[in-house]
Amino acid sequence: AQSVTQPDIHITVSEGASLELRCNYSYGATPYLFWYVQSPGQGLQLLLKYFSGDTLVQGIKGFEAEFKRSQSSFNLRKPSVHWSDAAEYFCAVGADSNYQLIWGAGTKLIIKP
Amino acid sequence: NAGVTQTPKFQVLKTGQSMTLQCAQDMNHEYMSWYRQDPGMGLRLIHYSVGAGITDQGEVPNGYNVSRSTTEDFPLRLLSAAPSQTSVYFCASSFQGWDGYTFGSGTRLTVV
Repeated sequence: AQSVTQPDIHITVSEGASLELRCNYSYGATPYLFWYVQSPGQGLQLLLKYFSGDTLVQGIKGFEAEFKRSQSSFNLRKPSVHWSDAAEYFCAVGADSNYQLIWGAGTKLIIKP
Repeated sequence: NAGVTQTPKFQVLKTGQSMTLQCAQDMNHEYMSWYRQDPGMGLRLIHYSVGAGITDQGEVPNGYNVSRSTTEDFPLRLLSAAPSQTSVYFCASSFQGWDGYTFGSGTRLTVV
């Protein structure tokens, strides 16, 4: 069965520092991969997605993610975080013919001033 | 503004009561889904629809019903509320395939 693991429940990063959020998936073929962000009290917003092609994907708000097939990973990165990036980040895998997603448990990003 | 609209934003129910969470989108999206979000568990799919008149169960469908009589609306019905259904509920829609889902702002439901 497909699954998504986000190993870090919380991550604390200083403002201006770089960020990497980890996501590992379990699926036999190449999945469709997504990162979403949820600000407090809000719904989820799509940051970026990977379907095929270039394994480095650019998203909104200065985020990027890299698909590594050999590691079954799709880690999210940002070179310099801003206080407004404090939120919860969810990785999701799409592998169902009915276009439904399987979600990781989320990583809460805390920004230190 | 185009998007996914959920009502109400907050609701308190007594055990055994029924209610309907409303979800409407004005983007002509075929795919719609209902999720519940609980701390540390990510999002779990309750029911989904791939078009008007077509619905199917997700991971946690028990205690919930849905219908899709129009493209725009996808209400979620709680048949007999239980404390275990205390959660934040999100509706989401997508135009087709793997475009990515647009989410509503959620309904926070408490069952006492």
